[in-house]
Amino acid sequence: DAGVIQSPRHEVTEMGQEVTLRCKPISGHNSLFWYRQTMMRGLELLIYFNNNVPIDDSGMPEDRFSAKMPNASFSTLKIQPSEPRDSAVYFCASSSSLGNQPQHFGDGTRLSIL
Amino acid sequence: DAKTTQPPSMDCAEGRAANLPCNHSTISGNEYVYWYRQIHSQGPQYIIHGLKNNETNEMASLIITEDRKSSTLILPHATLRDTAVYYCIVRVEAAGNKLTFGGGTRVLVKP
Repeated sequence: DAGVIQSPRHEVTEMGQEVTLRCKPISGHNSLFWYRQTMMRGLELLIYFNNNVPIDDSGMPEDRFSAKMPNASFSTLKIQPSEPRDSAVYFCASSSSLGNQPQHFGDGTRLSIL
Repeated sequence: DAKTTQPPSMDCAEGRAANLPCNHSTISGNEYVYWYRQIHSQGPQYIIHGLKNNETNEMASLIITEDRKSSTLILPHATLRDTAVYYCIVRVEAAGNKLTFGGGTRVLVKP
């Protein structure tokens, strides 16, 4: 079975550029999560969706970050304009919201802003 | 969600059982204990979870004390591929299933 698919796996761009990270959740999962991981702050939840609706975006660092989920099989995390401090690994995860189903993570996008 | 405390690192020998402790003394009655691990350059991987009974699956066993204030993840026969950071997370059953990751335990399996 296909797991959570993220693209691109690596992204290197110059500061000020727009960055779009993509995620395809596991089919049938109705919760989707975006996390960011850095050495300094570890793994942090940025935002999560239930049934395509954003539920909690309190982890989004600032207005430069936005996330959308136009349908059940696709989500994007956008940074505009990007800054060097946004360099991190960004993970997407999905789960069923029924009961205590575990989250399944993608392999992440390693983002470097020069 | 309740806070968890784990040792920052531990070593274990290949082929031996690895016992990873986790303290969650402020856990409440409706909070589950989850374990994930993260192998270098990969996304976190779900291992196991439980409420109060001990649990076992193909990857590991989870032993939760009777008062639920601590738990132990057991990898019965550690292999080199089990080298990873292991996270113990306590979470309320609720819509959204948010996970709050702490620092975890960095486990090094040595030959």
